[in-house]
Amino acid sequence: EIVMTQSPATLSVSPGERATLSCRASQSVSSKLAWYQQKPGQAPRLLIYGASTRATGIPARFSGAGSGTDFTLTISSLQSEDFAVYYCQQYNNWPPDFGGGTKVEIK
Amino acid sequence: EVQLVQSGAEVKKPGESLKISCKGSGYRFTNYWIGWVRQMPGRGLELLGIIYPGDSDTRYSPSFQGQVTISADKSISAAYLQWSSLKASDTAMYYCAKKVDTDLRFDYWGQGTLVTVSS
Repeated sequence: EIVMTQSPATLSVSPGERATLSCRASQSVSSKLAWYQQKPGQAPRLLIYGASTRATGIPARFSGAGSGTDFTLTISSLQSEDFAVYYCQQYNNWPPDFGGGTKVEIK
Repeated sequence: EVQLVQSGAEVKKPGESLKISCKGSGYRFTNYWIGWVRQMPGRGLELLGIIYPGDSDTRYSPSFQGQVTISADKSISAAYLQWSSLKASDTAMYYCAKKVDTDLRFDYWGQGTLVTVSS
């Protein structure tokens, strides 16, 4: 199985600031990397797929980059509704593993 | 509108059996794989397996092979996750999710079913 490692575990950011989250795969997953957002008490929501393509309805302040083993999710200007846990997921190999998550909290 | 509606929360004792459901609507249920994802309290997401409702072809993640059974009834657009003998460590939120047609990623999710196993 591919191990997905996210860092940091927790990111404290002020509203309006930029947040950069990292995800590293234990072996290459090409560009088959997705990001999900999960708010407390809710199911995950697909944000980004193909490493950099925003899913339907996702605001432009969310952007993804990377390929191979190193990926980033950037939120350009954090809004109150963006404070949540973010998970990366590789879907290049079976099983499609998730990272452990990064919690973005209000500073 | 695509919707996945899961059955309600369950409280069970160790050793009991359980079957939870996920009903899809707003799309052709038989044509898209459904996945089941576990989230233990305060933890991350883990895929248990996926099923293709059209022919019940099923794939399990290695960690969950033999631990759970995934099934589907295409006549009522439902997928199921079941346990024959629950353990306390099965306590978790379980989500069903619709897989996109081309890749192993999930675009729509159910609301989750909380399973609590306690003596």
